[in-house]
Parts: sequence; structure tokens; C-alpha cells
Amino acid sequence: GAGVSQSPSNKVTEKGKDVELRCDPISGHTALYWYRQSLGQGLEFLIYFQGNSAPDKSGLPSDRFSAERTGGSVSTLTIQRTQQEDSAVYLCASSFLSYNEQFFGPGTRLTVL
Amino acid sequence: GENVEQHPSTLSVQEGDSAVIKCTYSDSASNYFPWYKQELGKGPQLIIDIRSNVGEKKDQRIAVTLNKTAKHFSLHITETQPEDSAVYFCAAVSGGSYIPTFGRGTSLIVHP
Repeated sequence: GAGVSQSPSNKVTEKGKDVELRCDPISGHTALYWYRQSLGQGLEFLIYFQGNSAPDKSGLPSDRFSAERTGGSVSTLTIQRTQQEDSAVYLCASSFLSYNEQFFGPGTRLTVL
Repeated sequence: GENVEQHPSTLSVQEGDSAVIKCTYSDSASNYFPWYKQELGKGPQLIIDIRSNVGEKKDQRIAVTLNKTAKHFSLHITETQPEDSAVYFCAAVSGGSYIPTFGRGTSLIVHP
């Protein structure tokens, strides 16, 4: 079956512009996570959705970052007024239930010039 | 919060040798420890995991050991092959939390 998909695969933007990154989780997975991976670094947690519960936003680095998940499926991560330090690979993962194996998408590589 | 340290950052071995990657965690409430493999240009993929009620788990050439007292866990790969070359991440999940804390990763290079 289809895995987690993310779009776009690459995004180049200018400093100050807004960007939207999309994640399509595996059908039926109730948990969805966003992570940021900078060069040579581990995975930095950003936000977590579980079903219809309020998301855990504790990892968002600033108020320029926001995310939503519509209908318990597709999720969009929005970064407003991008800065050069936002350049990274943004990974999305889903799992059937929380506390289980996470299935990762291929990521979106964001470059802010 | 949880803190996970992972060593070494780079590991180079000859094909057929064994490889060991070690992680330590700080939160004694952590009870789920997954290991992920990330190949170039791809997202991480789970290769093995262990829960705190088990001390060791094996899956073919891969094994994970957990020492709850010392708060460390290790990944063992035997008979390494060039296709094992990748970045490996350990993680720890604290009881009551659904958010893993990842180590910084180990770049494993297997020379033919």
C-alpha cells in the first residue's frame, strides 16, 4: 500500500516569504508527527496530532510555525516570514496508534535564500 | 525532559565485521526504545524496537539490548554488508508521552 507522502520534495524560497508543506499520512493512521532535521543533526520534534484531540505544539520553535490537520488525515505545516535558519529537511510521520512504529515520509527539503 | 546521547557519531567497519551503536537516556520513565535507519534522501525506517519489560531482542543480524539500571541501550549488527551503510538513530519514549526523543545519529559505513 501507499506510504506517507510529502510535497513538495524540494522548496526554495526567499527570506521573508511564507511556505506551506504538505503531508499525506497512511490511511487509517490516527497519529501524525512533524519533525525538522538539520544537516548532521537528529530529528527535532515540532508538533503531534492524535485523532481529534488538541495537537501537542510544544516543539514549535516560534510563532511563525503552525500546522493543521484536516479531517484527521492530510496535514499542512506553515512557516511564515521564513528565515535562513529555517532551512532544513521537514519530515512527517504517521502511526496507527500513538506509541507504535512511526512511518516516515521522504521529507521536504526547504532552502531559504 | 528526556535527553538521549548516541555514540559514536561515525562508525567505519569492514564487510563481515560487527557494528555496535550505543545510546544513553536520562528519564527513568522511558519505556519504549526504537531504532531507525535512514538512507540517503529517504525518511527514517524502523528496524527494531524494544520495550522496557524486555532485556534483549533479535531479528536476524540485528539485536538490541537494554539495561534499565544503567539507562543505556545498544544496537548490534553482525556480519555487516555494504547495504547496511546508512545513518542510524536511537530514540526513547517516556511513559505517558507519545513523543520520541532522538539521538543525533550514527553514520555507519561498511567497506566492501
